[in-house]
Amino acid sequence: DAGVTQSPTHLIKTRGQQVTLRCSPISGHKSVSWYQQVLGQGPQFIFQYYEKEERGRGNFPDRFSARQFPNYSSELNVNALLLGDSALYLCASSFGTANYGYTFGSGTRLTVV
Amino acid sequence: AQSVSQHNHHVILSEAASLELGCNYSYGGTVNLFWYVQYPGQHLQLLLKYFSGDPLVKGIKGFEAEFIKSKFSFNLRKPSVQWSDTAEYFCAVNAENAGNMLTFGGGTRLMVKP
Repeated sequence: DAGVTQSPTHLIKTRGQQVTLRCSPISGHKSVSWYQQVLGQGPQFIFQYYEKEERGRGNFPDRFSARQFPNYSSELNVNALLLGDSALYLCASSFGTANYGYTFGSGTRLTVV
Repeated sequence: AQSVSQHNHHVILSEAASLELGCNYSYGGTVNLFWYVQYPGQHLQLLLKYFSGDPLVKGIKGFEAEFIKSKFSFNLRKPSVQWSDTAEYFCAVNAENAGNMLTFGGGTRLMVKP
């Protein structure tokens, strides 16, 4: 058990649709980060939230947005889906900064058709 | 912006062989360095990390990595691999100016033949 919970595990969407992915961090962790892992590549940073505020944003279009709730869980939203958005979306939680190291969830596999 | 290169995309070894996976990064300032492993069908797991101090870092499952600042490298090593080490290995860097962001390399897929 990874301790970081992501839902759903798999998702199939049609181009142009919108999707919401969810993440619950390890209890006591206040930072949640989102990464996109395209098949055959390393994860790429999308967002980081700490104490409910956005602390970092990667090089992704505005179609990607996220938020963190008072219980430190987080949602990643992607609008106007493109075929290229098909990927494994990873959530990582940490107590604070990366110095503590991340714990990753198992991810949500998104397929856009 | 920092980048991470893992030059070996696929490595095939026999059990008991020694392993060294290369990792080079491009950033001139202070960095924190990580190696993660992803076993088939499982989530990314932290193998080891370097923040400061002794540049030779020991991690779980007999893995170690050496930080060589002059070469901007953080190579992963294991003296004797096992079939269960078959997995994908990712090197990652957190630069001092990048908040909490990790920059990952493209990964190295290791297959260990029994």
